[in-house]
Amino acid sequence: DADVTQTPRNRITKTGKRIMLECSQTKGHDRMYWYRQDPGLGLRLIYYSFDVKDINKGEISDGYSVSRQAQAKFSLSLESAIPNQTALYFCATSDRTGTGGDGYTFGSGTRLTVV
Amino acid sequence: AQSVSQHNHHVILSEAASLELGCNYSYGGTVNLFWYVQYPGQHLQLLLKYFSGDPLVKGIKGFEAEFIKSKFSFNLRKPSVQWSDTAEYFCAVKADNAGNMLTFGGGTRLMVKP
Repeated sequence: DADVTQTPRNRITKTGKRIMLECSQTKGHDRMYWYRQDPGLGLRLIYYSFDVKDINKGEISDGYSVSRQAQAKFSLSLESAIPNQTALYFCATSDRTGTGGDGYTFGSGTRLTVV
Repeated sequence: AQSVSQHNHHVILSEAASLELGCNYSYGGTVNLFWYVQYPGQHLQLLLKYFSGDPLVKGIKGFEAEFIKSKFSFNLRKPSVQWSDTAEYFCAVKADNAGNMLTFGGGTRLMVKP
């Protein structure tokens, strides 16, 4: 099993719909992150969580919300999806140092298309 | 806030050509440096990292990177690329004032022609 699992892998949704992307990890890491990847724009941080009670906005949090249900689970919601939220979304985890092991461990991504 | 620049957005090489991808960062303090690779359709994976010591770091698949503190650079190199190196490459920096978080560069998309 993957260390960081994202579901779904692919999703097509309609404008205005609410959608949740889920991330779970078996690394035992405290920290979890949501990024979106767009061609030519690299990785942009949406939200991050240092532990279950510590959630922070990233550089592009508008239109998104998150929930840290447990140390191992961090979900990203789009309350009312719009077409410019079409992107590849990655969840990542790290320990408190940010540099243990591989630094960040990434999930396989969710490709979201909003039509 | 620190920033990470990867000036080459797209690179196209033929097999056996040498590769150098640039990475520059803006922070003047202590840094940890990473290169990640994302093969088509896959997630980011660690290629190599630098924490301290020898500024020339060797990673997997024949890649290496050199930390030059005076130039705020951590360029990725490979003497002879293969078609299987086609991927997107991300440089990342952890600065000692950034709450132990990584800042990523914009990525460089490498295409190796067979």
